Amino acid sequence: DADVTQTPRNRITKTGKRIMLECSQTKGHDRMYWYRQDPGLGLRLIYYSFDVKDINKGEISDGYSVSRQAQAKFSLSLESAIPNQTALYFCATSWAETDTQYFGPGTRLTVL
Amino acid sequence: GQQLNQSPQSMFIQEGEDVSMNCTSSSIFNTWLWYKQDPGEGPVLLIALYKAGELTSNGRLTAQFGITRKDSFLNISASIPSDVGIYFCAGQGINAGNMLTFGGGTRLMVKP
Repeated sequence: DADVTQTPRNRITKTGKRIMLECSQTKGHDRMYWYRQDPGLGLRLIYYSFDVKDINKGEISDGYSVSRQAQAKFSLSLESAIPNQTALYFCATSWAETDTQYFGPGTRLTVL
Repeated sequence: GQQLNQSPQSMFIQEGEDVSMNCTSSSIFNTWLWYKQDPGEGPVLLIALYKAGELTSNGRLTAQFGITRKDSFLNISASIPSDVGIYFCAGQGINAGNMLTFGGGTRLMVKP
């Protein structure tokens, strides 16, 4: 069974719609992250959370919001989706004591 | 923010050949990580480097943490078709908590 799961795996939506991407983990890690991947740009950090109720902006947080509902769940929301938010989105988790981040399988989001 | 320059952007090689890719930064990093991403999947950690000058192997993969702490390289020996994918370097800065900065990726294609 996967340790870090993301839902949905694929989503097509229209400009202006609100959309939520979910991430769950069974690794017991306290830290969770949301990244966005665009071709040739690697992964860029959107938001991260070190614990429940702890939320921090990453490099590219504009247009996004997050919620850490429980230690195992971290959701990413696009309040009003726009076409340049079309990308692959990855959730990751890690222990506080190490630098190793474990990634989920990704969500491919297309905004028309 | 910090920038990581990863090269080459892509490589198309013959099976059995050795591969080398590298990352350079304008900033010092405490940790260098190398990830591989298969199509449709999230990045998977290959090698982690924690000390300047460290040379670490994982099967046919060898990576080194540069003495200046501003660069790292990854070598793959005797490439095989399943080596195909995108390889990412990632660095963690001195005062960046657990935040990672990713390179743009090297897309490796192996011809049987």
